[in-house]
Amino acid sequence: NAGVMQNPRHLVRRRGQEARLRCSPMKGHSHVYWYRQLPEEGLKFMVYLQKENIIDESGMPKERFSAEFPKEGPSILRIQQVVRGDSAAYFCASSPQGTTGELFFGEGSRLTVL
Amino acid sequence: ELKVEQNPLFLSMQEGKNYTIYCNYSTTSDRLYWYRQDPGKSLESLFVLLSNGAVKQEGRLMASLDTKARLSTLHITAAVHDLSATYFCAVDIEPGSGYALNFGKGTSLLVTP
Repeated sequence: NAGVMQNPRHLVRRRGQEARLRCSPMKGHSHVYWYRQLPEEGLKFMVYLQKENIIDESGMPKERFSAEFPKEGPSILRIQQVVRGDSAAYFCASSPQGTTGELFFGEGSRLTVL
Repeated sequence: ELKVEQNPLFLSMQEGKNYTIYCNYSTTSDRLYWYRQDPGKSLESLFVLLSNGAVKQEGRLMASLDTKARLSTLHITAAVHDLSATYFCAVDIEPGSGYALNFGKGTSLLVTP
């Protein structure tokens, strides 16, 4: 499957634990984007990364959330000390350029915080 | 705050019928995107509308953009069951960014025999 791969697809955490979500972009894509979809809401932009660089994190909550895209390996969205309000679907997208206007999305990681 | 509003949010229609989904937005963006999502699946890009008056068609779906009215429509012609999905419209949070998109809540479409 040459698409955007996200794992885990489903993750359950208790309040206060850490959640790590991974995203491998499509082959040949070097730009990664993370979005969050809260229940009954549309997707909201969180962060845009290139290899080893955060380009735009204007949509990231100021605390507990971080993202990276290392030189080797997948992009990781990390949520520390999760709270119930973090329960959502987290989508990763990739593109071959930064501003093509067409994003290729993964199937999402659904986080449930108990 | 940028608002993207779709209506209807839920739509049940019979096969063979026509219908239009509306997307209103609150910025001066001249670019609008339509995506489709099947349950539990990824979002698939349907159309990228790049300027006022743009019209694109793919099969039974046709999308148009009126930037003056800040309105896009997704028209469904002679619906078939395979079109059952959730359809999202989105606009650039900052005009021209192309990646930081604000999505509507989606229109869940069910096509019945």
